[in-house]
Amino acid sequence: NAGVTQTPKFQVLKTGQSMTLQCAQDMNHNSMYWYRQDPGMGLRLIYYSASEGTTDKGEVPNGYNVSRLNKREFSLRLESAAPSQTSVYFCASRFGYNEQFFGPGTRLTVL
Amino acid sequence: GENVEQHPSTLSVQEGDSAVIKCTYSDSASNYFPWYKQELGKRPQLIIDIRSNVGEKKDQRIAVTLNKTAKHFSLHITETQPEDSAVYFCAASNGGGTSYGKLTFGQGTILTVHP
Repeated sequence: NAGVTQTPKFQVLKTGQSMTLQCAQDMNHNSMYWYRQDPGMGLRLIYYSASEGTTDKGEVPNGYNVSRLNKREFSLRLESAAPSQTSVYFCASRFGYNEQFFGPGTRLTVL
Repeated sequence: GENVEQHPSTLSVQEGDSAVIKCTYSDSASNYFPWYKQELGKRPQLIIDIRSNVGEKKDQRIAVTLNKTAKHFSLHITETQPEDSAVYFCAASNGGGTSYGKLTFGQGTILTVHP
């Protein structure tokens, strides 16, 4: 099992550009999550999907959109990137109320 | 919603000493409390977790205690080693209702173990 995978690993954008971060899991988990991690701020939830076909806002959803493409895949889109969105983005998945597994992260810089 | 406070933000110990990190939570309905370790440039990984029907759980050098009345839980690492140096995050979640098990994380503790 690959677990949770994310692409790309690194990305540099200019202000106003758009991009999609991809996430996939092969553990047959129902729930998937997107977090951002900034220095001293811990992990903040952007969006989550409790099951295929459902998505909901987390703590910091502004400037982002998500798509739960199927049970395996959950993508995060930045429509018009801003320097404030410079961060490390982690995708995670979970089955029921058990351990949550994280992907390796995407380091995004917006100039 | 849930709010998790974590202290201290940094902790420095000598190899062999014990380290304790404390967290408080606000939602009395929270019933699952994991601890994650994140090494530099890596993803967070679960090291131990506890559910609200248990007061203490131990796994080798790591233990977690939970006080539901006071709404706080703590991570205890004994006989620390340099490889324990990392950022540690506590989290809390409510397994029921519409929260779908969302985890709310503390701000993290940078643990440094000096040889």
